Amino acid sequence: QKEVEQNSGPLSVPEGAIASLNCTYSDRGSQSFFWYRQYSGKSPELIMFIYSNGDKEDGRFTAQLNKASQYVSLLIRDSQPSDSATYLCAVRRDDKIIFGKGTRLHILP
Amino acid sequence: DADVTQTPRNRITKTGKRIMLECSQTKGHDRMYWYRQDPGLGLRLIYYSFDVKDINKGEISDGYSVSRQAQAKFSLSLESAIPNQTALYFCATSDSGRGYTEAFFGQGTRLTVV
Repeated sequence: QKEVEQNSGPLSVPEGAIASLNCTYSDRGSQSFFWYRQYSGKSPELIMFIYSNGDKEDGRFTAQLNKASQYVSLLIRDSQPSDSATYLCAVRRDDKIIFGKGTRLHILP
Repeated sequence: DADVTQTPRNRITKTGKRIMLECSQTKGHDRMYWYRQDPGLGLRLIYYSFDVKDINKGEISDGYSVSRQAQAKFSLSLESAIPNQTALYFCATSDSGRGYTEAFFGQGTRLTVV
């Protein structure tokens, strides 16, 4: 089992709708959880982090963490064409930061 | 100027050649990482370092070596490059002083081994 798992997509979402991205992790010792956005050929950029159970909102983005289920999600409200990118889930464990394979998101105009 | 700088940005090399990728940072972070990215495989950790005396292997260290010359510099070497090391390589840093220590990335080095 991979340490961090994501559906590779592509996930197609109409403009203005909510995009929902999911991630599961295997190690219960994981301490912090991150969502990065990566445009093709560019470096990943952090959009959200979360380390406590529950929801965390920042603008159009909401991260959700459920440690009992070992599940992290990212919701993007009012999706825009500029949100089309690959979204990488990452977990920190013992100062290693491990990434999933990423989910490609395509916002349909 | 970028906080995490990688050189070169692009490199084409021949099979069997030794090549070094360099990373320097001005963020003052103690943690530094090297990742490679291949299509469909996400970011995979090659090596990571907590300080100049602490180097650790990641999940795919075979065929690679690293050197932490100073807190701000972390180099990745391919002793004898092979074509399946063709990939996009990223250096990243993080700060142990913050509880959630996210990684900050350099611009990436696109390496092609022919």
